[in-house]
Amino acid sequence: QVQLQESGPGLVKPSQTLSLTCTVSGGSISSGSYYWSWIRQPAGKGLEYIGRIYHSGSTNYNPSLKSRISISIDTSKNQFSLKLSYVTAADTAVYYCARETGAVAGTQSFDYWGQGTLVTVSS
Amino acid sequence: DIQMTQSPSSLSASVGDRVTITCQASQDISNYLNWYQQKPGKAPKLLIYDASNLETGVPSRFSGSGSGTDFTFTISSLQPEDIATYYCQQFDNVPRTFGPGTKVDIK
Repeated sequence: QVQLQESGPGLVKPSQTLSLTCTVSGGSISSGSYYWSWIRQPAGKGLEYIGRIYHSGSTNYNPSLKSRISISIDTSKNQFSLKLSYVTAADTAVYYCARETGAVAGTQSFDYWGQGTLVTVSS
Repeated sequence: DIQMTQSPSSLSASVGDRVTITCQASQDISNYLNWYQQKPGKAPKLLIYDASNLETGVPSRFSGSGSGTDFTFTISSLQPEDIATYYCQQFDNVPRTFGPGTKVDIK
């Protein structure tokens, strides 16, 4: 069974960089069949797509965040990571990592998710 | 970006009731639409993919239909464990976008 687990600081100061890592177990992040994605959810609000990475290192970012985002992958550790720079209180949210199917063919959906990690931006 | 809207934003129904949620895309997305269920404090769970296909292990009381810009999600007989927020999500292009959610509770 595939499992994803987010890790990283729960508190980040304004203007600093938020850094999170997602560790994948039960499957290889090097599989060409999937994208590895980040999605966030402010408290009491809806889901916002942040971006994704393919095992090759190819990325797609949400244009609304593109200037501040970097997603990377470490296939040797079966992990992928998110960096969000110049954070403000508006970046306070639960951050999820998720696997998206269909990188090669077939339907595309987020079929496995991490449990989510709350990141609060505050001084 | 493709904008997704949902209605209603919340609803209250009795156990056994039929519940219907609609989702509209700002442009034609064919059947490139998924539905997720999110319970409080939990990650979303995929229920329906490709607008109308039931994910493995999901009860058959859940169903979806539609194509183009208009989609419907139905719970044929609401159960207490169905209390959750439901989101539609398009995968026609990137960035993926989600509807604002419909919160379902028991009357």
